[in-house]
Amino acid sequence: GAVVSQHPSRVICKSGTSVKIECRSLDFQATTMFWYRQFPKKSLMLMATSNEGSKATYEQGVEKDKFLINHASLTLSTLTVTSAHPEDSSFYICSARGLAGGLNEQFFGPGTRLTVL
Amino acid sequence: DAKTTQPPSMDCAEGRAANLPCNHSTISGNEYVYWYRQIHSQGPQYIIHGLKNNETNEMASLIITEDRKSSTLILPHATLRDTAVYYCIVRVQYSGNTPLVFGKGTRLSVIA
Repeated sequence: GAVVSQHPSRVICKSGTSVKIECRSLDFQATTMFWYRQFPKKSLMLMATSNEGSKATYEQGVEKDKFLINHASLTLSTLTVTSAHPEDSSFYICSARGLAGGLNEQFFGPGTRLTVL
Repeated sequence: DAKTTQPPSMDCAEGRAANLPCNHSTISGNEYVYWYRQIHSQGPQYIIHGLKNNETNEMASLIITEDRKSSTLILPHATLRDTAVYYCIVRVQYSGNTPLVFGKGTRLSVIA
């Protein structure tokens, strides 16, 4: 149990385009989903927290109009990077909190590597 | 607001026990100690957590000092696949919307 999937695993796009990343909890319902990003050789940095049906709460310094988060159901959240630029190139990781495998904890997806040319 | 302190890196010989320390001198009475690891280019993986008693599962053992100000994660027989960054995190269990906050962790290199 406790499987979180992300799609795509890797994406390369041109500067100025938008990219959507999907995060799904496959075998449990996620009451809350979190989005992190990670630059090379750095730790994970929280970007935003979202609950199903509610607006996401963004961390300081994260532009909500640039990083659009939709949490449409208890098993799906999407992150859209709008008008991507090279500095948005990073490893994006989603995390879902819920009850799975006897644990009520935060489980992580495998990550999406975004490269903006 | 770093609540934990870990050494930046450690080496361990394959087959030997890897002992990863963590200091959390300001831990509160209702905070648990969690350990996650991140293998290169993957998402973090839950390892183990505990409040004050020592814990063991199929992956590792967690030893927490009596005063709870420090702990040690033990991988009893390290393999090359255990090479990863290990994160020690203190937090209240079942804390709703509160996310896991990652520090810099310890980069463990298991050497053949």
